[in-house]
Amino acid sequence: AQSVSQHNHHVILSEAASLELGCNYSYGGTVNLFWYVQYPGQHLQLLLKYFSGDPLVKGIKGFEAEFIKSKFSFNLRKPSVQWSDTAEYFCAVNVPNSGNTPLVFGKGTRLSVIA
Amino acid sequence: DAMVIQNPRYQVTQFGKPVTLSCSQTLNHNVMYWYQQKSSQAPKLLFHYYDKDFNNEADTPDNFQSRRPNTSFCFLDIRSPGLGDAAMYLCATSAGTYNEQFFGPGTRLTVL
Repeated sequence: AQSVSQHNHHVILSEAASLELGCNYSYGGTVNLFWYVQYPGQHLQLLLKYFSGDPLVKGIKGFEAEFIKSKFSFNLRKPSVQWSDTAEYFCAVNVPNSGNTPLVFGKGTRLSVIA
Repeated sequence: DAMVIQNPRYQVTQFGKPVTLSCSQTLNHNVMYWYQQKSSQAPKLLFHYYDKDFNNEADTPDNFQSRRPNTSFCFLDIRSPGLGDAAMYLCATSAGTYNEQFFGPGTRLTVL
């Protein structure tokens, strides 16, 4: 079964700092990859997704992620964070047509942006 | 706007007293999911429906049941809630099992 690792549990950044959140998955075949965000008191929202094609994916709110197949990674980046980016970020993966669990989440990374 | 709606947003029940949480969607998606999310943890899939086909995760306790009477509605029944069942319960939908999932706001369950 696939698994997802997010190595950073809590990241604290100052406004305007650059962000990179790590995500690694364990499955060796074709995967679909997602980043979800959960702002305080709000529901999970999709930031971006990768199914195929250009491995550099651009999402909402200035976020992007790069799929590196050789490293089994899908790291999330943002060049300059804002206070409003304070949230919990979840990486998730599924294996198309596998019959496995439809979506497996990482444990999440809490991002705190301070002024 | 098309969306996923969960009612109630907050539910308080007593230990052992059955409770039902509801989810409805206007997206006309064929797949609906129920997740349990505890504080500072990832959502944990309990089960999902692909149309009317029910798919239970292997480690979902028997205490948790679900019903999907039609495409738009799905219910989570907790037959005898324990203190360990206090959590946020998330409903999600997708068009097909492996596409993007759309989440509702969740129901926070408190067990006294």
